[in-house]
Amino acid sequence: NAGVTQTPKFRILKIGQSMTLQCTQDMNHNYMYWYRQDPGMGLKLIYYSVGAGITDKGEVPNGYNVSRSTTEDFPLRLELAAPSQTSVYFCASSFRQGSGNTIYFGEGSWLTVV
Amino acid sequence: GIQVEQSPPDLILQEGANSTLRCNFSDSVNNLQWFHQNPWGQLINLFYIPSGTKQNGRLSATTVATERYSLLYISSSQTTDSGVYFCAVPVRGGGADGLTFGKGTHLIIQP
Repeated sequence: NAGVTQTPKFRILKIGQSMTLQCTQDMNHNYMYWYRQDPGMGLKLIYYSVGAGITDKGEVPNGYNVSRSTTEDFPLRLELAAPSQTSVYFCASSFRQGSGNTIYFGEGSWLTVV
Repeated sequence: GIQVEQSPPDLILQEGANSTLRCNFSDSVNNLQWFHQNPWGQLINLFYIPSGTKQNGRLSATTVATERYSLLYISSSQTTDSGVYFCAVPVRGGGADGLTFGKGTHLIIQP
């Protein structure tokens, strides 16, 4: 049972480059999320999705885009990378956020922009 | 959005000690969760506890929703308990719009 899978695990980007972080879950969860974690800080929500075809902005969406064409996949696109986007990115999924349903996180993607 | 504050920011204990971690939040919520991030960065959900008390082995949590705080208790600490403990609540208090996290308590258990 793979759970939530993120790729790549590590990436170095040059300023102005673009890339996509991939996220796939095999638990048939409706809800999926992208977070970023800066050193010594908690996680901040970038975007979330409550089902295929539905996405919405979180706390820190600027500089990012997402899509949700299937239940399983929720890629995060970085356009025109900036040093401020150096962070660890976590994808997560759950059946529902409330009602005690567990939220499962991927192992994280370490991104450095130079 | 709702503000989440955790204390203490850092805690160093000897193996076998007990500890209490606190989470304060600024508005009413219908969902509160505790997470453990191990030294390798992996995030594990510990408790879903919008109110009341729950226990799981050496860990227990209590949320007093009316007073807007939650406590995580760790008894008989082991070195594997080391890591960062996060408290998280819904970004806008309820619904499916994701969780907002505190800055965490960094716990180090020394053998």
